Amino acid sequence: GAVVSQHPSRVICKSGTSVKIECRSLDFQATTMFWYRQFPKQSLMLMATSNEGSKATYEQGVEKDKFLINHASLTLSTLTVTSAHPEDSSFYICSAIEGLGQPQHFGDGTRLSIL
Amino acid sequence: KQEVTQIPAALSVPEGENLVLNCSFTDSAIYNLQWFRQDPGKGLTSLLLIQSSQREQTSGRLNASLDKSSGRSTLYIAASQPGDSATYLCAAYSGSARQLTFGSGTQLTVLP
Repeated sequence: GAVVSQHPSRVICKSGTSVKIECRSLDFQATTMFWYRQFPKQSLMLMATSNEGSKATYEQGVEKDKFLINHASLTLSTLTVTSAHPEDSSFYICSAIEGLGQPQHFGDGTRLSIL
Repeated sequence: KQEVTQIPAALSVPEGENLVLNCSFTDSAIYNLQWFRQDPGKGLTSLLLIQSSQREQTSGRLNASLDKSSGRSTLYIAASQPGDSATYLCAAYSGSARQLTFGSGTQLTVLP
C-alpha cells in the first residue's frame, strides 16, 4: 500500500534552533501534502496545505514565517520550524494525497521537544 | 465550517465484544469520510474510506457506514481483540475546503 515516510521521528534541541522535518511519498506522486500538529490527547490540527511547486496555504493562526513549508517535488515536502521555542514542542504529522477523493496517507509523525 | 464529533471519547470493553464507534459531522457536503487508527506516539493508519456516494465499506472485522443526510458515520468492530486497542479517528473531507476535518477520537481499550 501507499507509504509516506517522515523523518526524523524525534528531535530534541535547544531553544532558538531551527528544525527541518521531511515528508516523502515513497510509491506515489503526491499532488498535495498536508502538515498537522497534534497536542497530547487532542486531535490533529491542520497547519498548512502545500501543492508541488506553489506556495503553501496556511490555516488561520499559523505563522508562515515560523513554519516554513517547501514542496519542491511531487514526492517531498519539508517543514522547517524556525527559531524554535518550548511552546513549539509538539507532535507534527504530515500526510500526502495522490489526487482529489483519494485517501490521505500519513507519516509516522515527528516528536519535537524544545528545551 | 465543518465540525466533527466523536462519541464516546473513551471506551473499554472485554475481549470478544462487538462494538460501535460513532462519528457525526455538521456539513453534509462531504467528498468522503475516512476512519483512522492511531497508536500512542505514532502517526495515523487509514482503516476505511467511504466515498460520499457509498453507504458502507468493509475490511476484515471492520465495517464503516455513512449516512450523509443525518451527518453520521459508524465504525463497527467485530470480535474485538486486545490488539485493537488504540485511538480511532474519523475525518470528513470537504471538497470545497479540500481538507480533512478530524474528530477528537475515541480511545479504545480491549481488555484480555
